[in-house]
Amino acid sequence: KQEVTQIPAALSVPEGENLVLNCSFTDSAIYNLQWFRQDPGKGLTSLLLIQSSQREQTSGRLNASLDKSSGRSTLYIAASQPGDSATYLCAVGSENTGNQFYFGTGTSLTVIP
Amino acid sequence: DADVTQTPRNRITKTGKRIMLECSQTKGHDRMYWYRQDPGLGLRLIYYSFDVKDINKGEISDGYSVSRQAQAKFSLSLESAIPNQTALYFCATSDFVRGEAFFGQGTRLTVV
Repeated sequence: KQEVTQIPAALSVPEGENLVLNCSFTDSAIYNLQWFRQDPGKGLTSLLLIQSSQREQTSGRLNASLDKSSGRSTLYIAASQPGDSATYLCAVGSENTGNQFYFGTGTSLTVIP
Repeated sequence: DADVTQTPRNRITKTGKRIMLECSQTKGHDRMYWYRQDPGLGLRLIYYSFDVKDINKGEISDGYSVSRQAQAKFSLSLESAIPNQTALYFCATSDFVRGEAFFGQGTRLTVV
């Protein structure tokens, strides 16, 4: 079974700082990897999708990388803002189980003004 | 309008009651999923469906059942609700090619 781990569990940074969130997974037979943002009590908003054949994806201040062989992905947030405060979730689509998504428990980010 | 719509958004029910959570989507996707989210445990898959005639159990299907009434509709039922089914429930869809997932806003279910 695919296991997905996100480190750190919580992170607090001053506004303007660049930061990196980490996601690791145990089975490299993945179909894709998706990063989501979740505000308290709300649904999941898709941030970036990386296909298994890709190395990275960028959207605005966000950049996600994927290293399938080492089972790792990172989400880089540049020039953080208070509005970035949320929980960030990593989801891995597994090839071996019909592209079921396996989730990490998330990183709770607080950006201090 | 949201691409993936869940009803109800909040529900309080009593132990032993039957309850149905509904999900509809306008994405035109064949694949639909039900997840539950508990603090500290992340999202866990309950059931998934790759088309109207294809229903599969996920990691935690015990105590739940589903119905895929049409391509756009996927319902989750708790036949006899128990307190440890108190959670935030999410419906999701994905397309076959890119596999990108889209989530509903969630249903907060409390079983008392």
